[in-house]
Amino acid sequence: NAGVTQTPKFQVLKTGQSMTLQCAQDMNHNSMYWYRQDPGMGLRLIYYSASEGTTDKGEVPNGYNVSRLNKREFSLRLESAAPSQTSVYFCASSFRLAGYEQYFGPGTRLTVT
Amino acid sequence: GQQVMQIPQYQHVQEGEDFTTYCNSSTTLSNIQWYKQRPGGHPVFLIQLVKSGEVKKQKRLTFQFGEAKKNSSLHITATQTTDVGTYFCAGFGKLTFGTGTRLTIIP
Repeated sequence: NAGVTQTPKFQVLKTGQSMTLQCAQDMNHNSMYWYRQDPGMGLRLIYYSASEGTTDKGEVPNGYNVSRLNKREFSLRLESAAPSQTSVYFCASSFRLAGYEQYFGPGTRLTVT
Repeated sequence: GQQVMQIPQYQHVQEGEDFTTYCNSSTTLSNIQWYKQRPGGHPVFLIQLVKSGEVKKQKRLTFQFGEAKKNSSLHITATQTTDVGTYFCAGFGKLTFGTGTRLTIIP
């Protein structure tokens, strides 16, 4: 099992460009999450999907959109990238929303210039 | 909204010394999880605490959940170089990660 996979690993964008970060899990988990990690800020939840067909905003959703394509895949889209979105992005999944350990992907390091 | 603070932000210890990180929530939590992130890596689950006053041990690591379910701690006895990394708590009610404590070990 690959666990949680993310693509790409690294990305450089110019301000105003758009891109989609891909995430997939092969553990048959119901819940999936997108976080961003900035130095000294810990992990901040952007969006989450409690189950296939549902998505909800987390702590910092502005500037992002998500799609739960199917049970395996959860993508994060930046419509118009801004320098403030320079960060490391982690996708995670868990069997259910609360009370279950989260499995994290390896992360995407995004730089917006 | 729910806020989860961790202290200290950084801790440098000599190898063999003990280490403790504290997690404090502004609201009562239903449960709390702890994760470890090695430098350049991704967070990895360590443990979950659910009951008020719960104490769990994993070898040299001891985890506690406060009686009021608003705070938690992670204590490492006799640190080793393999303990290097950032330790995060994650509180549930509304899922919120703490800011993390970065542990460095002086050999």
